[in-house]
Amino acid sequence: AQSVAQPEDQVNVAEGNPLTVKCTYSVSGNPYLFWYVQYPNRGLQFLLKYITGDNLVKGSYGFEAEFNKSQTSFHLKKPSALVSDSALYFCAVRAANQAGTALIFGKGTTLSVSS
Amino acid sequence: DGGITQSPKYLFRKEGQNVTLSCEQNLNHDAMYWYRQDPGQGLRLIYYSQIVNDFQKGDIAEGYSVSREKKESFPLTVTSAQKNPTAFYLCASSGQGGRNVLTFGAGSRLTVL
Repeated sequence: AQSVAQPEDQVNVAEGNPLTVKCTYSVSGNPYLFWYVQYPNRGLQFLLKYITGDNLVKGSYGFEAEFNKSQTSFHLKKPSALVSDSALYFCAVRAANQAGTALIFGKGTTLSVSS
Repeated sequence: DGGITQSPKYLFRKEGQNVTLSCEQNLNHDAMYWYRQDPGQGLRLIYYSQIVNDFQKGDIAEGYSVSREKKESFPLTVTSAQKNPTAFYLCASSGQGGRNVLTFGAGSRLTVL
């Protein structure tokens, strides 16, 4: 069975400092991995995805994520946090050999950036 | 502009009533999905459809029903059998294939009085 774990319910960081939001996954075979962001009472917005190739993926708003196959992780990072980055972040996974299935989401991590 | 429209944005229901949430997309996407969001529980899959006239149950399908008569539309009915229906409901769509990104609607918040 596929699953995603986001071990931190909340991450607090000061503006200008680097941020990391953690994600680990479990799938059979190779994964397709995604990060989404959600602002209050809104739908989810796509940030970035890993399909294949370079382990470091760059996405929207200066975010990036590093795929680590041995650790089954796909942590979201940003070198310098902004107050406007404060939101709820979701990691999601789908097994590459199960293209007809839906994305499985983690429980989400609330990012709070203080000024 | 292409996108997904969910309606209504807010809905109040009395216990024992069925309600239907609308989801329409003009992205020409084949696949559509319904997720339920509760605080601290992330998104849980209710139903999904890869093609017209076909759909599959997700992890929490009990008490819900769907139809997919048109490519653009995937309405969700929350029946009186759903024991705890108060939640935020999100509809999404994507192209065929596992690499495709899901595009989400703005959501519908259902409150049972």
